[in-house]
Amino acid sequence: GDSVTQMEGPVTLSEEAFLTINCTYTATGYPSLFWYVQYPGEGLQLLLKATKADDKGSNKGFEATYRKETTSFHLEKGSVQVSDSAVYFCAGSARQLTFGSGTQLTVLP
Amino acid sequence: NAGVTQTPKFRVLKTGQSMTLLCAQDMNHEYMYWYRQDPGMGLRLIHYSVGEGTTAKGEVPDGYNVSRLKKQNFLLGLESAAPSQTSVYFCASSPSSGRGVEQFFGPGTRLTVL
Repeated sequence: GDSVTQMEGPVTLSEEAFLTINCTYTATGYPSLFWYVQYPGEGLQLLLKATKADDKGSNKGFEATYRKETTSFHLEKGSVQVSDSAVYFCAGSARQLTFGSGTQLTVLP
Repeated sequence: NAGVTQTPKFRVLKTGQSMTLLCAQDMNHEYMYWYRQDPGMGLRLIHYSVGEGTTAKGEVPDGYNVSRLKKQNFLLGLESAAPSQTSVYFCASSPSSGRGVEQFFGPGTRLTVL
């Protein structure tokens, strides 16, 4: 079946550091790819998405580019803030939405 | 708009007890979903519905039942709770299931089964 391999956490960074969280999707189809974010005590909310090869999703300073040759969708941010502390989920949808295991990010002031 | 709401937020059950989790959405979405979230495993789909009066099994349906009698509501039932069902449960909805369609999530219900 479909699966999402996501960089394990937890990840701890200092404020203004560079962030990368790797994500690779394995599927028989041609999935759309998503990053969802879960802030403490809340449900998941969409951070960004891409539906085809070379699409770049961006939001709140976060970016990810859909690389079809590797079906990857790595999340990046050039300068993280304390308010970015959350759990980040990569997800893919060829038929149904399949989630990675999540990466806990803590940003220290 | 309230979006997706879930009731209750927290619940503690004893093994063998039953309960129903309620999900409501005010976005007129056709599709609704129930997921469980366990540490290190992401979210796994329990059941889903493609419209009022329909339900379908997801990845981990055993021990759960669902009903979608009204378009805006999706109920998740546990007939005889087991400790393995201790988890955080999330409801979600979406307008369709096409490529790139976003799912909107509720705040979650934390269930503990003793």
